[in-house]
Amino acid sequence: QSALTQPASVSGSPGQSITISCTGTSSDVGGYNYVSWYQQHPGKAPKLMIFDVSNRPSGVSNRFSGSKSGNTASLTISGLQAEDEADYYCSSYTSSSTLLVFGTGTKVTVL
Amino acid sequence: QVQLQESGPGLVKPSETLSLTCTVSGGSISGHYWSWIRQPPGKGLERIGYIYYSGYTNYNPSLQSRVTISVDTSKNQFSLKLSSVTAADTAVYYCARGLNWFVPWGQGTLVTVSS
Repeated sequence: QSALTQPASVSGSPGQSITISCTGTSSDVGGYNYVSWYQQHPGKAPKLMIFDVSNRPSGVSNRFSGSKSGNTASLTISGLQAEDEADYYCSSYTSSSTLLVFGTGTKVTVL
Repeated sequence: QVQLQESGPGLVKPSETLSLTCTVSGGSISGHYWSWIRQPPGKGLERIGYIYYSGYTNYNPSLQSRVTISVDTSKNQFSLKLSSVTAADTAVYYCARGLNWFVPWGQGTLVTVSS
């Protein structure tokens, strides 16, 4: 099972919106609504930002939103802030024997 | 709120067995799925496997022959054993609650495989 494909890096200026893509196949992202997104600051554990494609856990800013179209899921960060600078990972349930696959990770830089 | 804390040796010799324990506080281990996830330095995330509080387990096929995950509900803990380790097993190891998405996570513990 290959990792889901994410862009290596995405950047934006404060206040702007950015979108991170997460591309899989019909056996994972496209086939199930079990896509989640994680934010990871250096030296810290990942933090759940979105689950089940578009649901935000309690306490996560509504500047973060998730969506899916076909085999590609997306995380949009609106009103970009300096504190959003981090690595972001997607994950999805998969029908393969691994049952869960993570994305390759995206480094978000706030210019 | 539920908190998780990994514990165990930070240095393991090649060919030996890596053993880690995750202690759950602020809530019960019962009724939930619990996962072990690792991250090699500078690389991405990989789930090693998961356990249901009843003891049902599922392992990543790439590690299945070397992994055992167990649970001790009386101690509110679950554990990971990874045998025959090599330098490729050097990583930060996280425990987390969940099956398809994970919250919360432990802070992670770096395990280095080296003689």
